[in-house]
Amino acid sequence: DSGVTQTPKHLITATGQRVTLRCSPRSGDLSVYWYQQSLDQGLQFLIQYYNGEERAKGNILERFSAQQFPDLHSELNLSSLELGDTALYFCASSAGGGALETQYFGPGTRLLVL
Amino acid sequence: GDSVTQMEGPVTLSEEAFLTINCTYTATGYPSLFWYVQYPGEGLQLLLKATKADDKGSNKGFEATYRKETTSFHLEKGSVQVSDSAVYFCALMDSSYKLIFGSGTRLLVRP
Repeated sequence: DSGVTQTPKHLITATGQRVTLRCSPRSGDLSVYWYQQSLDQGLQFLIQYYNGEERAKGNILERFSAQQFPDLHSELNLSSLELGDTALYFCASSAGGGALETQYFGPGTRLLVL
Repeated sequence: GDSVTQMEGPVTLSEEAFLTINCTYTATGYPSLFWYVQYPGEGLQLLLKATKADDKGSNKGFEATYRKETTSFHLEKGSVQVSDSAVYFCALMDSSYKLIFGSGTRLLVRP
């Protein structure tokens, strides 16, 4: 158990809908990262937050947004869902987000868009 | 940009066989390197890491050495077990501290 929790575990929804994925980092970790794992794109970095502020952005679609709250949990919002958004979404956390730190991954949220 | 290339899978071995999964990278500078493992239906777990050239990461019988000259970080284990069956991901941490992953290599160990 990494100490990173994600809810829900599974999500089934329809095209055009909006969903919110939630992540709670390990106790004491200030950085949260979101990754997407899909069959065609593999594992890709989406976005990072550090202590409530956006720190780095990857190939995140404009339909997707995220935020980190004062209690350090984070939410990833996916809107106008398309079939291609079907994927496993991972959250990871690290203490400060530096080069020598390990990122610890949650179990993921499996999203199926029908 | 930075990238990681892993050998294609699946890799199928008999129990107690020697394992090598090749990983090479392209990056500016000298990034930290990682191996993560994903067991069926689970998230990613850190297996081992190395933060500078010639470092050897090791854990649970797995080893990998950071080779700057060949830009490689091959994963090895002397004797695999059925319980090692999983998908293995090589990754580097780029200059903005995000992980860039290889495509993953599925390992299947038969009894």
